[in-house]
This record gives sequence, structure tokens and C-alpha cells, in this order.
Amino acid sequence: AQTVTQSQPEMSVQEAETVTLSCTYDTSESDYYLFWYKQPPSRQMILVIRQEAYKQQNATENRFSVNFQKAAKSFSLKISDSQLGDAAMYFCAYRSSNKIIFGKGTRLHILP
Amino acid sequence: ETGVTQSPTHLIKTRGQQVTLRCSSQSGHNTVSWYQQALGQGPQFIFQYYREEENGRGNFPPRFSGLQFPNYSSELNVNALELDDSALYLCASSTYRGNRMNTEAFFGQGTRLTVV
Repeated sequence: AQTVTQSQPEMSVQEAETVTLSCTYDTSESDYYLFWYKQPPSRQMILVIRQEAYKQQNATENRFSVNFQKAAKSFSLKISDSQLGDAAMYFCAYRSSNKIIFGKGTRLHILP
Repeated sequence: ETGVTQSPTHLIKTRGQQVTLRCSSQSGHNTVSWYQQALGQGPQFIFQYYREEENGRGNFPPRFSGLQFPNYSSELNVNALELDDSALYLCASSTYRGNRMNTEAFFGQGTRLTVV
């Protein structure tokens, strides 16, 4: 069975600094998708970035980028130039056929 | 704005009662999935509906059931409510094409269910 592990329950970063959130996963599949979702206090799950497993190039979306290490089954999220609006719960997730498997999340605090 | 809307936003029910939660999927999407998010946890997959039929189910008992309508909207029904059913219920819509699921799922804001 696929699992997603986020080992950092909470993290803090100074505004304008860079922070990296960690995620590991376990799967026997070769073709899959990985995601980072952001959940602010409004509760809506917002897709931040996605990575297709067959692509070796790391995905980038503006200030957000990932470090995808397929052999190590690692998928970390780097947030550059952190902003107050980045404060939220961040979930690492794996798409397995018709469902998405989420980690337990990392709460990110932005310090002004 | 993702276009996925859920109702109601908050709900309080008594143990043993039944509840129905509703979801309108994003325009153009034909698949709806439901997730349960307990406090402090990541969402857990309940089930998915495609072409008005259940298309996969997570580890939830039969008292969790659903429907999908011709306009792709969906309902989640929970019978015989238990205290542990208190959670945020999230609906997500996406597009299923042949045997390959679209990669992206768009979520609604959820329904906060409290069972007392």
C-alpha cells in the first residue's frame, strides 16, 4: 500500500527567507503523480505544485519548487522569499489511480 | 476560485442521526471524490463517483454512502452517526478520461460536521 510521510509537524521561517518541507513516500508503482497542497484557515485545499514521476526535471511554480528524488522516494517542497500569505498547513500527496493519499501535514508559520 | 461548492459549511448532529452533505463539481468535471479530514490529520479517501456509480472506496463502513447525479453533483450520506464522524468533509472534482485519471483534483471548502 502506498504511504506518504511528513516528518515535520511544524516549521517556522522568517519572512523573505527560504524554507524546505520534507516528504517521503512508499510505492511499488512506476507511474504516478505527487502533489503539494496548501490548506489555509479557510480550509480549502489548494494545489501548489505537482510532479509527474516519469519526468526527471523538478517542477517549479514561481516561488515554489520541488526536489524530486525518485530512487529515494523523496519529494520536498522549497518555498523561496516566504510571504505572510504562505502561512498554512502543507500536505504532501500521492495520486494512486482514483484516490489521493495525503501525509499528515506540516504547519508552516511565517515570522514577520 | 476552483468552482467546487459544498453545502452546508457547518453542521451539528446528534449521535445516531443521519446526515447528507452536498457537492457541486467544477464545470467540465465528471468525477467526484469525498474525503474525511479529522482534526490535525490529512484527508482520508472515502469514495469516488464516476458516471453515477461508485468507482473506488476507502476503508469506511457501509453507513457511508453516496450518490452522483446526471449533472455530476454528488451527495455524501452518513447513517447512524458516531462521535468519531466529527470531521471536515471535503469534496474534490476531476475528470476521468478512459483508464487514466486526470491528474488534478480541485477541492471545495468542506463541510465541518460536529456530532454530539
